[in-house]
Amino acid sequence: DSGVTQTPKHLITATGQRVTLRCSPRSGDLSVYWYQQSLDQGLQFLIQYYNGEERAKGNILERFSAQQFPDLHSELNLSSLELGDSALYFCASSPRSGGGSYNEQFFGPGTRLTVL
Amino acid sequence: QKEVEQDPGPLSVPEGAIVSLNCTYSNSAFQYFMWYRQYSRKGPELLMYTYSSGNKEDGRFTAQVDKSSKYISLFIRDSQPSDSATYLCACPIQGAQKLVFGQGTRLTINP
Repeated sequence: DSGVTQTPKHLITATGQRVTLRCSPRSGDLSVYWYQQSLDQGLQFLIQYYNGEERAKGNILERFSAQQFPDLHSELNLSSLELGDSALYFCASSPRSGGGSYNEQFFGPGTRLTVL
Repeated sequence: QKEVEQDPGPLSVPEGAIVSLNCTYSNSAFQYFMWYRQYSRKGPELLMYTYSSGNKEDGRFTAQVDKSSKYISLFIRDSQPSDSATYLCACPIQGAQKLVFGQGTRLTINP
């Protein structure tokens, strides 16, 4: 158990809908990362927050947004869902923001999103 | 071209065999090289990492990096059925804020 929790475990929804995925980082970790894992694209970085502020952005679609709250939990919002958004969404956390040194990321169990 | 390339397999070997998993990368700025293990229906967990070129050993696992050829390897000795998982190589960029993953190799160790 990494100490990172994600809810819900599974989510089934229809095209065009909006969903929110939630992540609680390990106790004391200030950075939260979101990744998407699909069969064709593999595990891809979406976005990082550090202590409430956006720090790095990957190939995140404009339909997707995230935020980190004062209690450090984070939410990933996915809107206007398409069939191709079906994937595993992982949250990871780390103590620091990065800055050139090694910065281990601890992954949660993931949320499996199915868009029908 | 993807920044980190990895043969997705699948790879199936008998118990006790030596397993070799490999990745190539294109970004010369990569300095840290990680191997993550992902069991079915679980999140990835860090197995080991190396900094720059060279070897690093941890029990039955050895990670090897050759920066001159941009080649990353993970060797598993005396493989066990419990080693059956997907293995992902990863490199952090942007000051270790973003991990770039290979596709992952699905490994099965047969008893």
